[in-house]
Amino acid sequence: DAGVTQSPTHLIKTRGQQVTLRCSPKSGHDTVSWYQQALGQGPQFIFQYYEEEERQRGNFPDRFSGHQFPNYSSELNVNALLLGDSALYLCASSLRTPQGEQFFGPGTRLTVL
Amino acid sequence: QKEVEQNSGPLSVPEGAIASLNCTYSDRGSQSFFWYRQYSGKSPELIMSIYSNGDKEDGRFTAQLNKASQYVSLLIRDSQPSDSATYLCAFDTGRRALTFGSGTRLQVQP
Repeated sequence: DAGVTQSPTHLIKTRGQQVTLRCSPKSGHDTVSWYQQALGQGPQFIFQYYEEEERQRGNFPDRFSGHQFPNYSSELNVNALLLGDSALYLCASSLRTPQGEQFFGPGTRLTVL
Repeated sequence: QKEVEQNSGPLSVPEGAIASLNCTYSDRGSQSFFWYRQYSGKSPELIMSIYSNGDKEDGRFTAQLNKASQYVSLLIRDSQPSDSATYLCAFDTGRRALTFGSGTRLQVQP
């Protein structure tokens, strides 16, 4: 049973550029959430997608946007990159049930120079 | 006041001892509580979930929840060096958006 997968593993960008990160959820899961984890901190919720729509959003600017495809996979896009966007970006998949546990992928390490 | 408070540690325990990790939260609307383990350079791994007051045991792990005191804890029995990691607590108010603490670093000394 394939777990959550993310690509790429690492990414280096310069300020002002745009980046797209990808996530495939665990088999059978229909909900994808994205988190940003800065060094030494816990993950922070960015947004969540279900049925190809953004359902919840955390305290992140509009530079952060996403998409969910019919096969439940998802993309996270970040425009106009800032140095402070350097972080580990985590995708978590779950079932859309009241107690749906979230399982994380390996993450994408983004470095903005 | 932070939404989730965890002692950053490091918490150092000898091999075979019980490690006790604690977490307090501020949002009384919290419904679901989770403990994740994160090894250095890796992503968080779900180890326990708890939804009602009391204890929940799974192998060497026991989660304890007290909603009145807004407190959740994780006990690790017979600690092993392989348990050395950062332990993150998280809660969900029903929005399915997890709020995490900054984590407690656990070191198990052989």
